[in-house]
Amino acid sequence: AQSVTQLDSHVSVSEGTPVLLRCNYSSSYSPSLFWYVQHPNKGLQLLLKYTSAATLVKGINGFEAEFKKSETSFHLTKPSAHMSDAAEYFCVVSDRNYGQNFVFGPGTRLSVLP
Amino acid sequence: DTEVTQTPKHLVMGMTNKKSLKCEQHMGHRAMYWYKQKAKKPPELMFVYSYEKLSINESVPSRFSPECPNSSLLNLHLHALQPEDSALYLCASSLGGYTDTQYFGPGTRLTVL
Repeated sequence: AQSVTQLDSHVSVSEGTPVLLRCNYSSSYSPSLFWYVQHPNKGLQLLLKYTSAATLVKGINGFEAEFKKSETSFHLTKPSAHMSDAAEYFCVVSDRNYGQNFVFGPGTRLSVLP
Repeated sequence: DTEVTQTPKHLVMGMTNKKSLKCEQHMGHRAMYWYKQKAKKPPELMFVYSYEKLSINESVPSRFSPECPNSSLLNLHLHALQPEDSALYLCASSLGGYTDTQYFGPGTRLTVL
C-alpha cells in the first residue's frame, strides 16, 4: 500500500534562509510524487511533480525537489525563504496500482520569521 | 486556463436543510474529485468521477450525494448533515491518470449548525 511520511509537522525559518521540508514515501510500483502548497483557507496549488523523468525537479516560486529511490525520499527545498512562503505543504504519492487515488502526507506547516 | 471554480465560497446550514455544492472546470479533464478537509489535516478523498461515471466512493455516508451532470460540472448534494461534517470541501479535476496533476478549486467552507 502507498503511504507518505512528512517528518516535521512544523518548520520555522528566518526570511532569506534555506528551506528543507522532508518527505518519505512507500509505494509498490514506480510512483509519481507531488508537492502541493495550501495558504490559509485556500485550495491546493501544485508546486512541482516527479513522474519518472529527471530526478531533480524544479517547480514554481524557486522550489525544487530531488527524487531518491534508494532513500524513498522526495524532499522539498528552496535556497531563500520569503514571507509569502508561509503555508501548509503536502507531499503526495500515486502509483499505477491505485490509479487516480492520491495519498496525502499529513502536511508540514512552514513559518517564515522576519 | 487551469482554473477550477467552486460555489458557494461559504455555506451555513442546519441539520435539516438540503443544499448543494457546485464545481466547474473547462480544461477538458475527464476525472473530477470531491475531497473533505478538516482543520490542520490533509484532504480526504470522498468521490471520484471518471468519464462522468462514479468510479470511487470512499465509504462516504449517504447524506452526501454526488452528481456529475456533464464532463465540466460536478455537484455535491447535502442532506441531513451533522455538525461533524463541518469542513472545507475541495473539488479537483485531472486528465485521470496516476501521473496527472490534480487541479484544485478554492473550496467551500461548510458549517453545519
